[in-house]
Amino acid sequence: AQSVTQLDSHVSVSEGTPVLLRCNYSSSYSPSLFWYVQHPNKGLQLLLKYTSAATLVKGINGFEAEFKKSETSFHLTKPSAHMSDAAEYFCVVSGEDNYGQNFVFGPGTRLSVLP
Amino acid sequence: DGGITQSPKYLFRKEGQNVTLSCEQNLNHDAMYWYRQDPGQGLRLIYYSQIVNDFQKGDIAEGYSVSREKKESFPLTVTSAQKNPTAFYLCASSIDGSGTKYGYTFGSGTRLTVV
Repeated sequence: AQSVTQLDSHVSVSEGTPVLLRCNYSSSYSPSLFWYVQHPNKGLQLLLKYTSAATLVKGINGFEAEFKKSETSFHLTKPSAHMSDAAEYFCVVSGEDNYGQNFVFGPGTRLSVLP
Repeated sequence: DGGITQSPKYLFRKEGQNVTLSCEQNLNHDAMYWYRQDPGQGLRLIYYSQIVNDFQKGDIAEGYSVSREKKESFPLTVTSAQKNPTAFYLCASSIDGSGTKYGYTFGSGTRLTVV
């Protein structure tokens, strides 16, 4: 079975400082991994995805993530936080042949950005 | 632009009432999903459908029902049997049944409140 752990339920950074949101996964298959962002009372928006190509993945709004198989990690980073980055972030693992229930969400990390 | 439309954005239900949440997509995606989101609990899968006229229960299907008569539409009915329906409901779709390669596309959500 697949699973996702987001190591921090809440991360707080100052505007202009780096962001690191941590994600570890477990999967018996070669996984696909995704990061989604959710602003309050909104749907989820895809930030970036890893699907077995380059291990360093660049996404929208300056975010990137690195797939590290040896560490089973897919941490999300951004060099400089902006106030508009304040939101909930979800890490997702997919890959096992269990159609319909293939997408496993992490519990989410709430990012606060202080002025 | 292609996307998923959920309506209404806010919905109020009286005790003992059934209500139906609408989800329409014009992405020509085969698979559609309904999730429930509660504070601090992430996303939980209610129902999913991989093709027209077929759907499967997710992890928390009790008290909910769905239909998939058209590829574009996947309405969710919250019945009176659902004892705690107050939550944020998200509809999603994927081009295939797994979401592994391209991920899911989400609607903007419906917030249901029991009054």
